[in-house]
Amino acid sequence: GEEVAQTPKHLVRGEGQKAKLYCAPIKGHSYVFWYQQVLKNEFKFLISFQNENVFDETGMPKERFSAKCLPNSPCSLEIQATKLEDSAVYFCASSQSPTGTGETQYFGPGTRLLVL
Amino acid sequence: RKEVEQDPGPFNVPEGATVAFNCTYSNSASQSFFWYRQDCRKEPKLLMSVYSSGNEDGRFTAQLNRASQYISLLIRDSKLSDSATYLCVVNSISGAGGYNKLIFGAGTRLAVHP
Repeated sequence: GEEVAQTPKHLVRGEGQKAKLYCAPIKGHSYVFWYQQVLKNEFKFLISFQNENVFDETGMPKERFSAKCLPNSPCSLEIQATKLEDSAVYFCASSQSPTGTGETQYFGPGTRLLVL
Repeated sequence: RKEVEQDPGPFNVPEGATVAFNCTYSNSASQSFFWYRQDCRKEPKLLMSVYSSGNEDGRFTAQLNRASQYISLLIRDSKLSDSATYLCVVNSISGAGGYNKLIFGAGTRLAVHP
């Protein structure tokens, strides 16, 4: 598609429950990035993919967060056993290439996760 | 110290005013620089890339000073529709292939009033 699509728009979970978020990058974009925006506008990089390969997962809290980008499927970000501090907006972005003129990252509308 | 620092504002200006936002970054290896705009917790949208030679897009002018690691955005003739949060964004090269992640400033809030 012409835009990055993210589902669901809103997600409410009780502490300890699982949350799964989905992202479909712009058609033709091979690179996918996940960011977390908590209160006060602080964006945090989580993970990036080229197609189905992870290239940088330095931002992922590995004990509870996992992500995948499988062929012919939306990418996913999964949080096992959510905590209150996971409440945030999770943005997915995609780009044509990692550097140069194709590096502009286009963002999806985000998934708002609220953990109660 | 944060990798990208911005004045959080808010900047409250009347329509027609000129307003300038500044940003500093700490990683001298950064290669690409951007200003994104974010409205009311919606997704960030690219306003403009920033080049060493400076660049202009209508009422918006962006400048980069690599020596000082400083980026600026100037908005002339402010409109009500310019009210938003402006995010200073710097790429951070990672991995053998140079695949980049974006490092965001905390954003500067602009409110333009009639």
